[in-house]
Amino acid sequence: EVVLTQSPGTLSLSPGERATLSCRASQSVSNSYLAWYQQKPGQAPRLLIYDTSDRATGIPERFSGSGSGTDCTLTISRLEPEDFAVYYCQQYVGSPPGITFGPGTRVDIK
Amino acid sequence: EVQLVESGGGLIQPGGSLRLSCAVSGLTVSRNYMSWVRQAPGKGLEWVSFISSGGDTYYADSVRGRFIISRDNSKNTLYLEMNNVRGEDTAVYYCARASGSYHPLDFWGQGTLVTVSS
Repeated sequence: EVVLTQSPGTLSLSPGERATLSCRASQSVSNSYLAWYQQKPGQAPRLLIYDTSDRATGIPERFSGSGSGTDCTLTISRLEPEDFAVYYCQQYVGSPPGITFGPGTRVDIK
Repeated sequence: EVQLVESGGGLIQPGGSLRLSCAVSGLTVSRNYMSWVRQAPGKGLEWVSFISSGGDTYYADSVRGRFIISRDNSKNTLYLEMNNVRGEDTAVYYCARASGSYHPLDFWGQGTLVTVSS
């Protein structure tokens, strides 16, 4: 079973700053099947990035994903007020389905 | 417009049973991979179960043997039958869709809260 670790646990930044979130897997994630989700209080998660670097429909260009093997990164180029939330990485390897979430990174206002 | 609407949550005693429903519109449940994901209060996301378009079912170790995922194609609805529930099953339960086995969860419901307590 793949275990995902996210760092930092909390990131305190100001609007306009760049956010860099890390996700490390205990073993290489097959074919880059890694996604990032954003969750705000009281809301369901929202898919941001899939297949490591592809933006989901309607996601602003300031969100980007990168990485390979065991290390992936979510970058928010310039934080907007609505970007302060919790971010989860997830791997979704195929059959049998292996769906694992990281513990999350909270991005809050400094 | 795709909508997933969960229902059936509530307060249940340890050892009891409960069935959650997820009514889906805008996509066909039987043609997609449908998941249940839960989130304990103040905690992160935990995958619970998955039913493939072919009807194969998969479960997290924490619920295998106690929970059953199913679907009713005529009602376009996904279910999660929860049996022998424990305190650690207390969570908001979300249903979500993946378009295939190598795809992320791109549509989510708003969640339904299950509280296990005596």
